[in-house]
Amino acid sequence: ELKVEQNPLFLSMQEGKNYTIYCNYSTTSDRLYWYRQDPGKSLESLFVLLSNGAVKQEGRLMASLDTKARLSTLHITAAVHDLSATYFCAVDLMNRDDKIIFGKGTRLHILP
Amino acid sequence: DTEVTQTPKHLVMGMTNKKSLKCEQHMGHRAMYWYKQKAKKPPELMFVYSYEKLSINESVPSRFSPECPNSSLLNLHLHALQPEDSALYLCASSRIAGSSYEQYFGPGTRLTVT
Repeated sequence: ELKVEQNPLFLSMQEGKNYTIYCNYSTTSDRLYWYRQDPGKSLESLFVLLSNGAVKQEGRLMASLDTKARLSTLHITAAVHDLSATYFCAVDLMNRDDKIIFGKGTRLHILP
Repeated sequence: DTEVTQTPKHLVMGMTNKKSLKCEQHMGHRAMYWYKQKAKKPPELMFVYSYEKLSINESVPSRFSPECPNSSLLNLHLHALQPEDSALYLCASSRIAGSSYEQYFGPGTRLTVT
């Protein structure tokens, strides 16, 4: 059974600081997704990572995928309050099943 | 148009009621999903439809009954729900199930069972 572990599960940080969220998974997959969810809202797709070594950046967020280590990271640079949200990684079972498995989510709280 | 729409946004129903949740997308996606999300938890997959056929039922109780009338529409029929079924119900779609295409999520229906 595929397990997806995110850490930390909760992160409180100051504006202007850098930090990284980690997503480890337990089986082979070359496809991983990052989503953002604001309180009471739906999930917004942030990044789609489709191969080993994939790196994508959007504003202050950068995501990477190391399929050999079964690890993805979401790096936050010079955090701003607007990035406060819950971030989920989700791993695709790649044709073994029609579904993706979500991590538990990282609740990010950025203090002004 | 990269939008998945869901109606209603909020629903309050008693345990003896019958109601339906609706989901629609016009992106030509052939896979559609229902998720249930409790507060501070990740989404839990309920059902997957691939090319209008049910491909996954994650052992969901029969009081939840999905329906896919056509490639753009997905319904979730609710009957005799329990208070613990109160949650945010999310619909999602993707280009093809089991492929490298991300899932697009609708805004959700906030369901309260009294």
